Amino acid sequence: QQPVQSPQAVILREGEDAVINCSSSKALYSVHWYRQKHGEAPVFLMILLKGGEQKGHEKISASFNEKKQQSSLYLTASQLSYSGTYFCGTAKTSYDKVIFGPGTSLSVIP
Amino acid sequence: DAGITQSPRHKVTETGTPVTLRCHQTENHRYMYWYRQDPGHGLRLIHYSYGVKDTDKGEVSDGYSVSRSKTEDFLLTLESATSSQTSVYFCAISESRGEQYNEQFFGPGTRLTVL
Repeated sequence: QQPVQSPQAVILREGEDAVINCSSSKALYSVHWYRQKHGEAPVFLMILLKGGEQKGHEKISASFNEKKQQSSLYLTASQLSYSGTYFCGTAKTSYDKVIFGPGTSLSVIP
Repeated sequence: DAGITQSPRHKVTETGTPVTLRCHQTENHRYMYWYRQDPGHGLRLIHYSYGVKDTDKGEVSDGYSVSRSKTEDFLLTLESATSSQTSVYFCAISESRGEQYNEQFFGPGTRLTVL
C-alpha cells in the first residue's frame, strides 16, 4: 500500500529543474508532499486533493492525476536550499490515514 | 514552529528492556501520530490517536503500544525492545482529518538504539 516514488535519488546543479513522481496502485483522495533536510524533521509542502488541481509553493509546484493515481512534484530553477529528501504521502479518503512513500533524495550542487 | 517536543532525544538501551518515548504538544491538536524512519522505508506509521484514549494501529504496530491520557501527551512504549526497533522515531500532530486541515507538524525526533 506504500506509494512508489521515482527516482530514488537525483543530483542537480543549481538552476536545473527536477520532477519527482509518486504513484499508487489504489484510488486516491489526496496526495501530500513533505521535505526533510538532513538531520531535521519533515516539513509540509502541500496537499493536493482529488480533482487534479495543481498547486504551487515558491518555485515548487505539484500536480495530481487521480485517474492515473499519480502525482508529480516539480522543482524549477533549483536552489541549494532544495536539497533534502522528498516524501509523498497518499490517502484513499478524506478520513484515511496518510501512508508515506520511501522518499526521493535530491541533492543540489553549485 | 508548532509546539511539539519529544523526549528523550537520544536513547541507547539493551534488548529486552522496556522503553517509553514521550511526545508533548502545546497546540491542542486533536490528532497525534508516531512514525519510525528507517533508510529505504521512509516514514512508517506505528500508531495514531484521534482523541484522548482513542488510538488505532498503523502499518507497523507489532511490538509497540501507545497511550494518550491527556490531549497534549502521546506515549509510545516498546514493551521489550529488540534490535529491529533501532530507528528514528518521529511524533506528528494535525488539527483535523478533513480536507485542507490535515497538514502534519513533526517533532524533532528521537534516535533509539537497541543493543
